[in-house]
Amino acid sequence: GNSVTQMEGPVTLSEEAFLTINCTYTATGYPSLFWYVQYPGEGLQLLLKATKADDKGSNKGFEATYRKETTSFHLEKGSVQVSDSAVYFCALSDLQGAQKLVFGQGTRLTINP
Amino acid sequence: SQTIHQWPATLVQPVGSPLSLECTVEGTSNPNLYWYRQAAGRGLQLLFYSVGIGQISSEVPQNLSASRPQDRQFILSSKKLLLSDSGFYLCAAAQGIIAKNIQYFGAGTRLSVL
Repeated sequence: GNSVTQMEGPVTLSEEAFLTINCTYTATGYPSLFWYVQYPGEGLQLLLKATKADDKGSNKGFEATYRKETTSFHLEKGSVQVSDSAVYFCALSDLQGAQKLVFGQGTRLTINP
Repeated sequence: SQTIHQWPATLVQPVGSPLSLECTVEGTSNPNLYWYRQAAGRGLQLLFYSVGIGQISSEVPQNLSASRPQDRQFILSSKKLLLSDSGFYLCAAAQGIIAKNIQYFGAGTRLSVL
């Protein structure tokens, strides 16, 4: 079945550091890929998405490229801020039937000033 | 754009008591609806989904049930809560022919079973 594996957390960085959170997936067909962010005490917000190979999703300085050859969708940001502290979830949707999302386990990111 | 309302925001219930969590969606019609649970320190587990009124699919056998009495209303229930039902419950909706795979989430309900 479909699955998503995320980099183990928690991750702690200093402000303005470079961020990478790794995400790899296993899926049949050509799923859409997503990064969601969960700020403390809140629900999930869609951060970015990519629907086909080589697509790059971007939002709020975050980027991720859909790499079919390596089945990866790593999240990157060049200079993180304290306000980026949150839990980040990688997910895929198989576009079949109810188009359910399969999530990775989440990576908690803390940015220190 | 659509808005997903969930209530209550927090709930503390004794073991063995019933549960009813409600989710309503504004700004769209005929959405796919989903219930997820996030246990402490863990990822999201899909519990139920619905592609139409009265159509409920369960992902995992458990102590919970779901119903969809109206197009934009999704209810999560239990007759008798267990300690293991504690967690953060999230409702999500997806809509649109092309964008149906983008799910939007409510703010969640934090349930503590004591």
